[in-house]
Amino acid sequence: AQKITQTQPGMFVQEKEAVTLDCTYDTSDPSYGLFWYKQPSSGEMIFLIYQGSYDQQNATEGRYSLNFQKARKSANLVISASQLGDSAMYFCAMREGYAGGTSYGKLTFGQGTILTVHP
Amino acid sequence: EAQVTQNPRYLITVTGKKLTVTCSQNMNHEYMSWYRQDPGLGLRQIYYSMNVEVTDKGDVPEGYKVSRKEKRNFPLILESPSPNQTSLYFCASSLIAGGSYEQYFGPGTRLTVT
Repeated sequence: AQKITQTQPGMFVQEKEAVTLDCTYDTSDPSYGLFWYKQPSSGEMIFLIYQGSYDQQNATEGRYSLNFQKARKSANLVISASQLGDSAMYFCAMREGYAGGTSYGKLTFGQGTILTVHP
Repeated sequence: EAQVTQNPRYLITVTGKKLTVTCSQNMNHEYMSWYRQDPGLGLRQIYYSMNVEVTDKGDVPEGYKVSRKEKRNFPLILESPSPNQTSLYFCASSLIAGGSYEQYFGPGTRLTVT
């Protein structure tokens, strides 16, 4: 079974509007972290935002917020006031386990969503 | 400046010719990892290391080797590259304890095996 699912291969948004990129995950581990990365056309991976499984509040970083719904196992990324520079591939990723576990540290990535911002 | 560096950034090689992609980080991170990125598959982990002399397989280790003799370096070795190893490779590092365990990524190495 897919551990991270991003169901939107591509999304389009008008400049200055908000957009939500979907991410659902699957884990039986009570301790995990969820990440969003941005990959522009230049190829580098840029960390955007992090949500821990025990965090009570949704994470926010500037124009990025993470809509964390634990019971539904979803961790959607919301980008407010989209800019042309937001056009990129976006990856959701999960890190499971506690220190010493066999899978500790591994980031499992979704397949990505290509976001295009129109002027 | 805190960073992960990889070399080379671009490499075109032929089947069977051994190659090494270097990775170095200056943040004193215990954890280092290699990923490959292929269209439609996202990033998949090849190998990882929890500390010096401690390495283990990720999801797609076949055809690759790694070593961790120093904390800052984690080279990826392809003993006999094949065309199916044509991919974009990322090295990443992070702390093991404390904080968000955010993984810092290198700039990527685009490898083509003909």
